[in-house]
Amino acid sequence: NAGVTQTPKFQVLKTGQSMTLQCAQDMNHEYMSWYRQDPGMGLRLIHYSVGAGITDQGEVPNGYNVSRSTTEDFPLRLLSAAPSQTSVYFCASRSPGTSSGNTIYFGEGSWLTVV
Amino acid sequence: AQSVTQPDIHITVSEGASLELRCNYSYGATPYLFWYVQSPGQGLQLLLKYFSGDTLVQGIKGFEAEFKRSQSSFNLRKPSVHWSDAAEYFCAVGAFNAGNMLTFGGGTRLMVKP
Repeated sequence: NAGVTQTPKFQVLKTGQSMTLQCAQDMNHEYMSWYRQDPGMGLRLIHYSVGAGITDQGEVPNGYNVSRSTTEDFPLRLLSAAPSQTSVYFCASRSPGTSSGNTIYFGEGSWLTVV
Repeated sequence: AQSVTQPDIHITVSEGASLELRCNYSYGATPYLFWYVQSPGQGLQLLLKYFSGDTLVQGIKGFEAEFKRSQSSFNLRKPSVHWSDAAEYFCAVGAFNAGNMLTFGGGTRLMVKP
C-alpha cells in the first residue's frame, strides 16, 4: 500500500532548466493536487485535477504545467525554473465526496532548489 | 473563497505546560477543518479533523481541537506539552465540493523549552 509517491525527494536545478516532479497514487483517487510550501505562507495550491483529462489552476499556477492522462499520475512540470520556485512541493489525493472517511493523502514532499 | 489565519507565527512553551494554537477561518458554508503537524524535513501528518457533530475533536498524540462556529475558530490544544511536540503546525479548511482540497494557514512554529 504505497499511498502517494513523489519523486524526486531532492533536486537542485539551474535557472532556466526544466524538470518534472512525479506524483503517483495507487488508491484510484479521482482528486489530485499540487501544493508548494514556503516559510510563513503555509501550503498554497498550484494546480489540481478532478479526474483524468481534467485540470485547473489553483492559487499560484504561474510557471507550472500539469496534465492528467491517467487516474494514477499527476506530474508537475517546471518549464523554465526560476529561483522563486525554490520550495517544498507536496502532492495530495483523495476520493470525491464529503464523507469524513474521505481522507486526504499527502506525499512525503519534494525539496527543490533553483540556483 | 475560503481563508485561514494562524495569528501566532512562533510560540514557545515550557515542557509540561499547556498549549493552545489559534486558528481562525473564513468560509461560506459548513467548514471541514483540519490540523496537521510537520517536523523539520518531514511531510505532513494529520493530527485531527472536524467534519460534523461533536465540536470537541480528539486527535493523535494527545491533541484536541474545538470548533466554535460563532467565533470562526478551530483552536488546537494539548494539556501537557512534550519536547517531541516541537514542530510546525498548520490549520486548514476543506472545500470538499471541489478538487482544490485544502486551504492552509501560514503555520505556527512551536518551540519547547526544557
